Order: sequence, then structure tokens, then C-alpha cells
Amino acid sequence: EVQLLESGGGLVQPGGSLRLSCAASGFTFSSYAMSWVRQSLGKGLEWVSAISDSDDNTYYADSVKGRFTISRDNSKTTLYLQMNSLRAEDTAVYYCAKGRGDYQVDAFDIWGQGTMVAVSS
Amino acid sequence: DIQMTQSPSTLSASVGDRVTITCRASQSISRWLAWYQQKPGKAPELLIYKASSLESGVPSRFSGSGSGTEFTLTISSLQPDDFATYYCQHYNSYPLTFGGGTKVEIK
Repeated sequence: EVQLLESGGGLVQPGGSLRLSCAASGFTFSSYAMSWVRQSLGKGLEWVSAISDSDDNTYYADSVKGRFTISRDNSKTTLYLQMNSLRAEDTAVYYCAKGRGDYQVDAFDIWGQGTMVAVSS
Repeated sequence: DIQMTQSPSTLSASVGDRVTITCRASQSISRWLAWYQQKPGKAPELLIYKASSLESGVPSRFSGSGSGTEFTLTISSLQPDDFATYYCQHYNSYPLTFGGGTKVEIK
């Protein structure tokens, strides 16, 4: 079964750091670009960051550029999001998502269940 | 950055109704558009990719059309399981952006 399982969310103070992980299974992880997408409570979807299949290229939304770092370990079939200098507006459910095809920019056909990040003092 | 505008934001409909949701891009995205369905407390699910291609396992009552800057998602006969929020998303280039969502409610 194709599956993505996020972990690492929690409550953190403003200015703090958190590292999210997304464990992939059931598909050839190294062949697909991956992304993080977030959703604030009761709000819409916001793309956060993406990484190419071979880890050569990374992309970020302006709202997180310079604070978040996306990475992947294809040997562990795991995607990561290192989040530093966290702000209240980063509070959201964070989803990892798999690109549908072998394009480096693609629709997302598989999503994880999400992990909640709350930034508050 | 490419902005995606969805309309309406809320739609009230009955079972059996034909429903159409519109998504407009701020610049041409060719056919690089996807539609997702999201139910409360759940992750989004892909319905349509490349503007009109039906994702595997998605019922044929869902269809997509359009190119350039104007796109539509149509549900030919609304079913009880279809009451949810729908999002469009472009994937023409990074940064990716989603529309604001359309909540389909029971009339």
C-alpha cells in the first residue's frame, strides 16, 4: 500500500525550531518529487516547499524562505522539513505530498494524514 | 507568482444536481491544473490532473475542462459523498498555489 506518514509536530514557542519527518512506503520514493503543504485551522491549502527526486533542487514559498529547509534521504525513504524561527502564523497542519508522475512539478496523488504544528507562548 | 481564484466560495446544492466550480489563473498555465476534494479532518484527495484527466478510482461523474486561464470542475449528479470542499491548484511552475476553495453544502 502506498503510504506517507508524517511525524514530528507539536507545540513550540515563537522563535523555536521543529523538524518534521515523512516516512514513505509502497512506491519507489527516489523517483518522485515531494512537497510539504500546510493548512491553518479552517483555512485553505498553502504549498510550503518542494524537493526534486534526486535532491538536486529545492523550492520554497516566500513565506518560509530562509527559515525552512526541505531535505530527503532516499536510502531511508524519508522526507524532512526543518523549521526554524517559527512564528505564530506557521501554526497549521503540515502534509507531505507525492508528485504524481516523473515531472519535477506535478499534481499530488498521495498525501499523508498530516501533523499539527502549533506555535505559541 | 500565479494567483488562483475559485468561485463560488460556497455552493448549496441537492443530491442529483449538476454542479460547476470555476477556477481562474492570473496568467496562462496551459493545462497544468489539478482539482482536489477535501473532507473535514482528512487530507485532500486528487480528483483531476492536467485539467481534464480523471485520477484512477475517481467516479466518472467528476470531470474537468479548460486551458490557459479558465478551468471548471463539474459534478454531473451530486451524490451524498460529494459534500466537501474542493480546491484547484496550478503546477505550471514553482511556487505552486491553490485556489481559496469551494465548499459544497447540502441545500
